[in-house]
Amino acid sequence: QSALTQPASVSGSPGQSITISCTGTSSDIGGYNFVSWYQQHPGKAPKLLIYEVLNRPSGVSNRFSASKSGNTASLTISGLQAEDEADYYCSSYTSTTTLVFGGGTHLTVL
Amino acid sequence: QVQLQESGPGLVKPSRTLSLTCTVSGASISSGGYYWSWIRQPAGKGLEWIGRIYITGSTNYNPSLKSRVTISVDTSKNQFSLKLSSVTAADTAVYFCAREDGQWLYFDSWGQGTLVTVSS
Repeated sequence: QSALTQPASVSGSPGQSITISCTGTSSDIGGYNFVSWYQQHPGKAPKLLIYEVLNRPSGVSNRFSASKSGNTASLTISGLQAEDEADYYCSSYTSTTTLVFGGGTHLTVL
Repeated sequence: QVQLQESGPGLVKPSRTLSLTCTVSGASISSGGYYWSWIRQPAGKGLEWIGRIYITGSTNYNPSLKSRVTISVDTSKNQFSLKLSSVTAADTAVYFCAREDGQWLYFDSWGQGTLVTVSS
């Protein structure tokens, strides 16, 4: 199975907003609402940010929001903070009853 | 609060079998409602889903690894395990175990990860 497509890197200044895209196919993102997003700091385990396309678990800042249109999911981080600098991964269920991750996006806070 | 901890050899010789165990605390694998999964990450690279198991013993595997992977569960020890056979240097990675919500299929709890190096 092919990884979902994410930009390798994005950047933004403190206080700005950025959006990370995650593109798949009708067999994964486009076919199901089982899309989730994770944040990973160096040397750490990933942390759940978003599940079921747009839902935030308790404890996750409302600066993180997400959506889906067709075969593409998006994660938006508003009011960028230095602590947001990390790697971000999307994930989706697939039609072959497996899961697939995106290639990851490194966010730099300038 | 659920906690997961990976354990196993940090060094495996090429062509051998990699074996890891994930010990779960704060939750019972037998309770159901969750999948128990393995994910890996080569140094400097992205996450790769390896596979998962449900309490019934039902498994799903990444097609690219399916011929070499076995995931099993031991409810008496509240553990689940990964075996990856015929390893090569390409299998060198940090291996994470994780709990996956059974309804909405997201990973809500992760182990800290364990580095496994394949080398002679």
